[in-house]
Amino acid sequence: DAGVTQSPTHLIKTRGQQVTLRCSPKSGHDTVSWYQQALGQGPQFIFQYYEEEERQRGNFPDRFSGHQFPNYSSELNVNALLLGDSALYLCASSLTGAGNTIYFGEGSWLTVV
Amino acid sequence: GEDVEQSLFLSVREGDSSVINCTYTDSSSTYLYWYKQEPGAGLQLLTYIFSNMDMKQDQRLTVLLNKKDKHLSLRIADTQTGDSAIYFCAESKGATNKLIFGTGTLLAVQP
Repeated sequence: DAGVTQSPTHLIKTRGQQVTLRCSPKSGHDTVSWYQQALGQGPQFIFQYYEEEERQRGNFPDRFSGHQFPNYSSELNVNALLLGDSALYLCASSLTGAGNTIYFGEGSWLTVV
Repeated sequence: GEDVEQSLFLSVREGDSSVINCTYTDSSSTYLYWYKQEPGAGLQLLTYIFSNMDMKQDQRLTVLLNKKDKHLSLRIADTQTGDSAIYFCAESKGATNKLIFGTGTLLAVQP
C-alpha cells in the first residue's frame, strides 16, 4: 500500500514563472490538503480539496491554486513566483471527517531564484 | 487566535527520557497530533490524541493532555540517537481537520 506520493522531489524556478506540484493520496483517502513549510518554521495550511472542490483555504494569495481529480490526486499551482515562495510543499491525505489520521508525503522542495 | 507554541531545542543523553512540551490556544480543537521530521524529509505521524482523553501510550511514546491548561506533552522513553529530529505538535480545527502547527522542537540525542 503506497503512502502519500509527491512529485517532483526538487525543482528550481525563476521569479515570475509558474509551477505545478503533484500529489497522490494514500489508498482509500479522499481528502488532500497542501501545506507550505518555510525553512525553520512549521507547516502553514494552504488549502484543502474534497470531492474535487476547494473546501477550505488558508491565508495565501490567489496566486496559489489547486485542483483535485476524480481519482483523488491533486495538483498545487503557483503563478508569478516570488523569492519568498521558496519552501517545502507538503501534501497531506486523510479520509474526510474529524479525527481521522492525517499522513504526509515527503514533500516537494521548491527554490525560486 | 491560532497559535501553537513549543520550546525550540531539547538535548538529552541516549537512554534517558525526553519530554517535549506544547501549548495551544483553541479549546475547541478536537484532536492533537505529534509529527516527527528528519532532515530533508516530510512529516511522519507519531501519534494523536482526542481532546477528551488525558493520556495515550504507544510503545515508547506517551502523550499527556491537560485540556484545562491547553498543554500537551510527548514523552519518549529510552531515547535513541535515531530519535534525533524536529518534533511538531499540531491541533486540528473543525470537521475539515485543518492542522495548525507549532514551530517545532529540535531534539538532539547525545551518545
